[in-house]
Amino acid sequence: DTAVSQTPKYLVTQMGNDKSIKCEQNLGHDTMYWYKQDSKKFLKIMFSYNNKELIINETVPNRFSPKSPDKAHLNLHINSLELGDSAVYFCASSQVGTSVGLDTDTQYFGPGTRLTVL
Amino acid sequence: AQTVTQSQPEMSVQEAETVTLSCTYDTSENNYYLFWYKQPPSRQMILVIRQEAYKQQNATENRFSVNFQKAAKSFSLKISDSQLGDTAMYFCAFMKLSNDYKLSFGAGTTVTVRA
Repeated sequence: DTAVSQTPKYLVTQMGNDKSIKCEQNLGHDTMYWYKQDSKKFLKIMFSYNNKELIINETVPNRFSPKSPDKAHLNLHINSLELGDSAVYFCASSQVGTSVGLDTDTQYFGPGTRLTVL
Repeated sequence: AQTVTQSQPEMSVQEAETVTLSCTYDTSENNYYLFWYKQPPSRQMILVIRQEAYKQQNATENRFSVNFQKAAKSFSLKISDSQLGDTAMYFCAFMKLSNDYKLSFGAGTTVTVRA
């Protein structure tokens, strides 16, 4: 029973195509995130949704559009793919809380999606 | 903006020995969490340990422990009795307790455990 799952795990596509990556979590968390890991392994936040509302939108091109149909899902759609979009994309989730808890605010990651744009 | 610095790109350790990874961060915040994540060759990001800034006691998880020095803004990870399965890239991460809760990561340290 996977906590945070992503599909697909690998995605190879041509420049100019449109593609989507799906993420689902069964932890009951209220906040989900997308991170990008580049070829040098550097990880950077892209987006965050809390209860289906966008709360973080870092300086990401408009070609990237997240969608959260419900608290358990956060999808990432990418239009007009470019060579520089090649990376590993990680989905994560957490339960954001104002009260102290053992697990509150800890982010759990999916297995990642390796996107290769040719 | 918070910056997280991991000054050791690579470290090597003999099996059963101890290795310490360094991490420093820059922030003006008082309430925050710090994390160490492990990324083995499988690429999965695995939580190793977390530290709340308001706690003076250093966090420990089995063979993993941290040395948290709040005034010095330092957060090192000690791996004791290193095992081959500890071979991975280790990332230090900072999270301020605010309305975004994003993780800011360091560049990572690759740890290789030798048999």
